[in-house]
Amino acid sequence: SQKIEQNSEALNIQEGKTATLTCNYTNYSPAYLQWYRQDPGRGPVFLLLIRENEKEKRKERLKVTFDTTLKQSLFHITASQPADSATYLCALGAPSNDYKLSFGAGTTVTVRA
Amino acid sequence: DADVTQTPRNRITKTGKRIMLECSQTKGHDRMYWYRQDPGLGLRLIYYSFDVKDINKGEISDGYSVSRQAQAKFSLSLESAIPNQTALYFCATSDDLSGKDEQFFGPGTRLTVL
Repeated sequence: SQKIEQNSEALNIQEGKTATLTCNYTNYSPAYLQWYRQDPGRGPVFLLLIRENEKEKRKERLKVTFDTTLKQSLFHITASQPADSATYLCALGAPSNDYKLSFGAGTTVTVRA
Repeated sequence: DADVTQTPRNRITKTGKRIMLECSQTKGHDRMYWYRQDPGLGLRLIYYSFDVKDINKGEISDGYSVSRQAQAKFSLSLESAIPNQTALYFCATSDDLSGKDEQFFGPGTRLTVL
């Protein structure tokens, strides 16, 4: 069955450092992968999309990589700030699934000042 | 005003009661979704609708039903609520027929079934 796994442990980092989150998947051939941010008590908010033929995408301090051979995406927050503290979700979409999104459970990041 | 709204935001009910959660959007999107979120399990799709005449089951539709009253409105019903339906429920919308575009989420409804 399809499986999407994100860092099982919460990430605790010092302000200014880089946070690296992983999203691994099995039994899936995604056409694209999305990353969302979710704050407590709120709905997820879209951050970035990377397609299967793209290796890397950047947006401000965020960088996403996508390796379809390793079946893995890495999400980096550089020069992290306390305001980056949140839960980050990866989501995969594929034509075989009507492009509906399948979500990972999320990784909680806490940035210490 | 928020683009995707959900009512109610919080609801406590008893086992066996019928509950309706409502979602409205002003984004003009054709696609709408209902998810539930449980700790450690992430978001799971309950139902989705590509347009007003199209309703599809997601991975966990048992015990739920939906109604797409208009392009802007998508309601989720629990016909006879049970305690394991206690969860955070999210409505979402998207625009592209291919579904490649981002999804826009509402603020969520926290449902507790006693």
